[in-house]
Amino acid sequence: EIVLTQSPGTLSLSPGERATLSCRASQSVSSNYLAWYQQKPGQAPRLLIYGASRRPTGIPDRFSGSGSGTDFTLTISRLEPEDFAVYYCQQYGSSLWSFGQGTKVEIK
Amino acid sequence: EVQLLESGGGMVQPGGSLRLSCAASGFTFSNYAMSWVRQAPGKGLEWVSFISGSGGVTYYTDSVKGRFTISRDTSKNMLYLQMKSLRAEDTAVYYCATAPQDYYYAMDVWGQGTTVTVSS
Repeated sequence: EIVLTQSPGTLSLSPGERATLSCRASQSVSSNYLAWYQQKPGQAPRLLIYGASRRPTGIPDRFSGSGSGTDFTLTISRLEPEDFAVYYCQQYGSSLWSFGQGTKVEIK
Repeated sequence: EVQLLESGGGMVQPGGSLRLSCAASGFTFSNYAMSWVRQAPGKGLEWVSFISGSGGVTYYTDSVKGRFTISRDTSKNMLYLQMKSLRAEDTAVYYCATAPQDYYYAMDVWGQGTTVTVSS
């Protein structure tokens, strides 16, 4: 089973700043099968990035994903007030899906 | 509008059973693989189960194998999760989600969730 470790646990930033979130896998992950989600309190998660770097329709272009192998990154170029939330990475491989433990992006 | 609506959650005693349902609308249900994901109170997301569009392929996380069964009824646009031998650690909000092949089985559209509480 592939374990995903996200860092940092909490990121304290101000609106307008750039956020860089990391996701490290215990084994190599196919880039096609790495996704990122946003979750706000009391809400279901929302898919932000799939295939490591692809945005679904409707996701703002300030969200971008990159990486390969065991190291992946979600970047929010300029934080908007609505971006303060918890972010999860997720991988699929060998008929199993797994999530990272999450990174909370909070207002500084 | 693509929509998923879960139901069937509630409180059950340890060892009991529960069947969750997920009503799909706004898309061709049979064309989409589906997943169940849960979130224990104050915790992160945990993938539970997957079913292919045809229903012929199913996968489970190890902790629910032999206890949970995922199924779908294409004629009714319904997804199900039959849960048996429930444990306290199964307490969570359960979400159904589409897992389109075009998105490499990432979870695209999510329902609002249904809460399962296992307690005596």
